[in-house]
Amino acid sequence: ETGVTQTPRHLVMGMTNKKSLKCEQHLGHNAMYWYKQSAKKPLELMFVYSLEERVENNSVPSRFSPECPNSSHLFLHLHTLQPEDSALYLCASSQDLRRGEDTGELFFGEGSRLTVL
Amino acid sequence: TQLLEQSPQFLSIQEGENLTVYCNSSSVFSSLQWYRQEPGEGPVLLVTVVTGGEVKKLKRLTFQFGDARKDSSLHITAAQPGDTGLYLCAGYNYGQNFVFGPGTRLSVLP
Repeated sequence: ETGVTQTPRHLVMGMTNKKSLKCEQHLGHNAMYWYKQSAKKPLELMFVYSLEERVENNSVPSRFSPECPNSSHLFLHLHTLQPEDSALYLCASSQDLRRGEDTGELFFGEGSRLTVL
Repeated sequence: TQLLEQSPQFLSIQEGENLTVYCNSSSVFSSLQWYRQEPGEGPVLLVTVVTGGEVKKLKRLTFQFGDARKDSSLHITAAQPGDTGLYLCAGYNYGQNFVFGPGTRLSVLP
């Protein structure tokens, strides 16, 4: 299996539920990202992990909790979400950009469509 | 704050027509990427341009990076329904995060 795989593809949850999104990359990259894509808005960067260390947290509410146990796996734990959190959540991977020598290319998964009721 | 603008926001054309979409910024980027995203899917990388003035071709798609590395264009020749999707540009600088434009939503009608 190659590329970036996200599960589940679709998730419907109530505001009191706890769920997790999973991402796995098979590209040998060591940086992973969570993005949020809402209708009529540009992609919003949520979290960046490089070599399993969180290097970016863009003022994301604490109801979103990322976890990166190794360079191939990334999770987004969801708890007491709001209806406005409904969106497509995209995982991506790249080479470690802190090396400063790459042209910079992101490889995305197919996304997890989240609906919060 | 680095920003990328894309134009037009929406474009609906007939099969066989040519089109150009634009990606503009006041900031300089080390490289710029173009992605295409189909409904319900994640963005797929089409091309990366690195050198000012660079032109890259991918079948019927021609990508150009501005001389000053602040802007880019994507030209599609003889568009086909399979070209339908959201076209995103993203700018990158060493050691910084990617900056995404809002996208151009293209619809090619048969």
